[in-house]
Amino acid sequence: EDQVTQSPEALRLQEGESSSLNCSYTVSGLRGLFWYRQDPGKGPEFLFTLYSAGEEKEKERLKATLTKKESFLHITAPKPEDSATYLCAVQSFNAGNNRKLIWGLGTSLAVNP
Amino acid sequence: SAVISQKPSRDICQRGTSLTIQCQVDSQVTMMFWYRQQPGQSLTLIATANQGSEATYESGFVIDKFPISRPNLTFSTLTVSNMSPEDSSIYLCSVEGGGRVETQYFGPGTRLLVL
Repeated sequence: EDQVTQSPEALRLQEGESSSLNCSYTVSGLRGLFWYRQDPGKGPEFLFTLYSAGEEKEKERLKATLTKKESFLHITAPKPEDSATYLCAVQSFNAGNNRKLIWGLGTSLAVNP
Repeated sequence: SAVISQKPSRDICQRGTSLTIQCQVDSQVTMMFWYRQQPGQSLTLIATANQGSEATYESGFVIDKFPISRPNLTFSTLTVSNMSPEDSSIYLCSVEGGGRVETQYFGPGTRLLVL
């Protein structure tokens, strides 16, 4: 069964304290792994798509990496505005052969000034 | 990426009533998706709506409870019927953008509380 597990559930950092969020997945035939950011009361905001093991993507203080079993979202020198829930999803197919995303529960990140 | 709006942004409803949520996109898209996001749970896909065909529902979701319309390539509605407190949730619509693997972009969500 396709599954996505994110850890930790919650993370509290001091401003400038770098860390990593983990997304482990089980899917038959990975076509893409997605990272999103979600602020309270808002819809998920797209960050990255990773397609194959070894791939890396960067945006400002965020860097996403992918292996055959997991992805990491590295946050370098975070700022308070990086506080949000970070969601990971992988693409799969439903019974009707339509594309669908399988989502993790997310990591709630709080960055203290 | 597409700009997506949803109406209403939030609502409080009585049990037994129905609510229709609208999703409007600023460009034509083939596939639209409806999700539910409940506290402590991951985003759960309700159904996929392709213009010109019947929506495809995920396991655990049925058309009588969540009827969907897709009248054109920029608009869709999701109705939550005969509501109960268990339907209290955030409802999100999303569309696929371009790219090598289809990326989904989300609307701001509709926060529903059923009393």
